Amino acid sequence: DTAVSQTPKYLVTQMGNDKSIKCEQNLGHDTMYWYKQDSKKFLKIMFSYNNKELIINETVPNRFSPKSPDKAHLNLHINSLELGDSAVYFCASSQLAETGELFFGEGSRLTVL
Amino acid sequence: AQSVSQHNHHVILSEAASLELGCNYSYGGTVNLFWYVQYPGQHLQLLLKYFSGDPLVKGIKGFEAEFIKSKFSFNLRKPSVQWSDTAEYFCAVGPYGNKLVFGAGTILRVKS
Repeated sequence: DTAVSQTPKYLVTQMGNDKSIKCEQNLGHDTMYWYKQDSKKFLKIMFSYNNKELIINETVPNRFSPKSPDKAHLNLHINSLELGDSAVYFCASSQLAETGELFFGEGSRLTVL
Repeated sequence: AQSVSQHNHHVILSEAASLELGCNYSYGGTVNLFWYVQYPGQHLQLLLKYFSGDPLVKGIKGFEAEFIKSKFSFNLRKPSVQWSDTAEYFCAVGPYGNKLVFGAGTILRVKS
């Protein structure tokens, strides 16, 4: 039933490790996003894919690599994790990128020790 | 650069009090405006949106927001809050090249 689902919801790991967060949407939307919510609660866009094509790539370290195997999935892989990567990562999707209306997943809280 | 500012970071109200959360944005062109809400332990969900037309929009759970173009504002209001309105509220504006820009959020706590 869940429209946008992310796994895992919680992730605790050591500095230097590599981890992935997965996202799936069953809304039939064409566009998917990754947002990062930092400790000050600002939500900032990281990436956006439209029909498996990367359309937004904000100033994000290249340790972060998104992958969209199909338009219903958008995964986020992070290499060589750093303390500053600790945050809540939100996946979202939208039917029409032009409207800006997003449907969010529950978030994945990443803690890097 | 586009920015969204929410004036209050924390608001504490008693039940039945009236609520107004401020939101101002910095872009002069045509934008869509949103309020999202995140209840404790839940995901962000859309509360209401403005695309065009009547600048007073109504959302779920008795919330409404007014778009005042001359003031670049989109304030959220509710005449009488309930304990269940305790949540974090985010104003968002866009899209700018398919991007939404979010404010820092306002944490609302309603005392029963």
